[in-house]
Amino acid sequence: AQSVTQPDIHITVSEGASLELRCNYSYGATPYLFWYVQSPGQGLQLLLKYFSGDTLVQGIKGFEAEFKRSQSSFNLRKPSVHWSDAAEYFCAVGPGNRDDKIIFGKGTRLHILP
Amino acid sequence: DTAVSQTPKYLVTQMGNDKSIKCEQNLGHDTMYWYKQDSKKFLKIMFSYNNKELIINETVPNRFSPKSPDKAHLNLHINSLELGDSAVYFCASRPTSGNTIYFGEGSWLTVV
Repeated sequence: AQSVTQPDIHITVSEGASLELRCNYSYGATPYLFWYVQSPGQGLQLLLKYFSGDTLVQGIKGFEAEFKRSQSSFNLRKPSVHWSDAAEYFCAVGPGNRDDKIIFGKGTRLHILP
Repeated sequence: DTAVSQTPKYLVTQMGNDKSIKCEQNLGHDTMYWYKQDSKKFLKIMFSYNNKELIINETVPNRFSPKSPDKAHLNLHINSLELGDSAVYFCASRPTSGNTIYFGEGSWLTVV
């Protein structure tokens, strides 16, 4: 069965520090992987996506993610966080075809210390 | 020129009422979805439609009824609202030839 695991419910980092948010997936075929961000009281914004090709993908707001098939992981990274990065981050997998659904992890809340 | 728009953004209503949330997308996409985000921020799919045809119907009480008058609209009607229906409901759409899902800004439903 398809699933996405984000093992960290909360992460706190200092402003200017580097960030890595973990995501592991279980998917029967070649996965389509996404990271979305949700600021408080806001909707979901797509940060980046991986379908195929280069396993290191660049996204908006200075984020990047690396697909590692051997580890079934798609971790999100940013070299230097800003206070405005404080938000909820969701990793997601799928859909492969019109009958598939996109499945979300339970999210990681990022807190930024000044 | 919002791509996926939902109305209303906020809705407070009493238990037992019937309410609808409307969704429209101007992206020309064929597939539309409704997702529910609970108080713990967990996002779960409820329904998906492809060109007005129901594709996914998760285990959702039959008090929830989606309606797609055309492929650009997917409305969600909820009968006999219960306290547990309080959540954020997200509409989304996806092109048939693509895999990226675009979300609306959410509708915050509070049942009192």
